[in-house]
Amino acid sequence: NAGVTQTPKFRILKIGQSMTLQCTQDMNHNYMYWYRQDPGMGLKLIYYSVGAGITDKGEVPNGYNVSRSTTEDFPLRLELAAPSQTSVYFCASTFLRQGVTYEQYFGPGTRLTVT
Amino acid sequence: AQSVTQLDSQVPVFEEAPVELRCNYSSSVSVYLFWYVQYPNQGLQLLLKYLSGSTLVKGINGFEAEFNKSQTSFHLRKPSVHISDTAEYFCAVIPNYGGSQGNLIFGKGTKLSVKP
Repeated sequence: NAGVTQTPKFRILKIGQSMTLQCTQDMNHNYMYWYRQDPGMGLKLIYYSVGAGITDKGEVPNGYNVSRSTTEDFPLRLELAAPSQTSVYFCASTFLRQGVTYEQYFGPGTRLTVT
Repeated sequence: AQSVTQLDSQVPVFEEAPVELRCNYSSSVSVYLFWYVQYPNQGLQLLLKYLSGSTLVKGINGFEAEFNKSQTSFHLRKPSVHISDTAEYFCAVIPNYGGSQGNLIFGKGTKLSVKP
């Protein structure tokens, strides 16, 4: 199993540009998450998905969009990049059933700089 | 709502010395508790977790943590650290109730720096 994979690893965007961060998991997990990590702030939840076709906002969703057309893929879209979106983005997945949560598995991250 | 406080942003320690990284949480419902480690320029790796049962939890790389419900704490300890333990450590919780979406709520992290 590859686990959780993310592409690209690094990206530099100009203000106003758009891009999609890719995330794929091969563990048949039903729940997937996007977090952003800023220095000294820990990780904050952007969006999450409980299964194909179902997504919802997390703590910091503004400026982002997501979709979940398959169990495996959970892309994160930035429509109009802003300097405040400079961050490291982590995708994670887990199998959650009847309120019992299992370990979350994290991807290696995407380091995004917006200038 | 839940919150996690890691009391020290940086902890310097000499090699082979013991270390304790402190974590307190606030929650109106019961929680699952986790410690993750992040090595430089890498993703997060689970060190250990507390779901239920014994309050002393042992994890990878010789780390352990103790859940103290009355003090709402989950401090991480290692009796003798190595240079390779230099990393950032995150304490996190998942609220344990029927409507939980299973997302982790993180503290701000503690940077452990082990010096020779």
